[in-house]
Amino acid sequence: NAGVTQTPKFRVLKTGQSMTLLCAQDMNHEYMYWYRQDPGMGLRLIHYSVGEGTTAKGEVPDGYNVSRLKKQNFLLGLESAAPSQTSVYFCASSWLAGGTYNEQFFGPGTRLTVL
Amino acid sequence: DAKTTQPPSMDCAEGRAANLPCNHSTISGNEYVYWYRQIHSQGPQYIIHGLKNNETNEMASLIITEDRKSSTLILPHATLRDTAVYYCIVSTTNFGNEKLTFGTGTRLTIIP
Repeated sequence: NAGVTQTPKFRVLKTGQSMTLLCAQDMNHEYMYWYRQDPGMGLRLIHYSVGEGTTAKGEVPDGYNVSRLKKQNFLLGLESAAPSQTSVYFCASSWLAGGTYNEQFFGPGTRLTVL
Repeated sequence: DAKTTQPPSMDCAEGRAANLPCNHSTISGNEYVYWYRQIHSQGPQYIIHGLKNNETNEMASLIITEDRKSSTLILPHATLRDTAVYYCIVSTTNFGNEKLTFGTGTRLTIIP
């Protein structure tokens, strides 16, 4: 049981390049989330999904797109990276169907630098 | 969601109880209090949550005041591994609205 995994762990991009971050969970959770954390700050929600095939905007969605084609995977895309997107990105999942509360399980993070 | 206020930093001696306060004076009736912690640069880890009653699990205790405007997370016997940033979060658990808003938290340092 690996929990929540993220690929890659580190990445350096040039301004304007694109990339996709992959999040996978093996807990059969319904909900998945993407957060970003800037130095000295708390986490901010980018996008989230309440089920396969659904996505919704969070607090800071601009410049990002997401897809949830399979229940266990949640992809975060940057179409044209900007230096302001330099951050650590965390994926999380939660809520087993029939569960009673929302404990979120987090991945180890992806450290992204945009030059 | 209601906002929370936490002290930016605290120290605690190893082996002693660490008491982390949180103010959430605008909390509404259907909002829960969650606590998470983030050790170094790892992903946050769930600790405990509660609505109005005090709660205890293997990691910590959560004491919520009767008016629910503040709470205290208690780590009963702090160890060096408890050094982390602790986040107090208020959120509903309504289906389809499972969003957590992380502030800047309290940086707890356990002193040997």
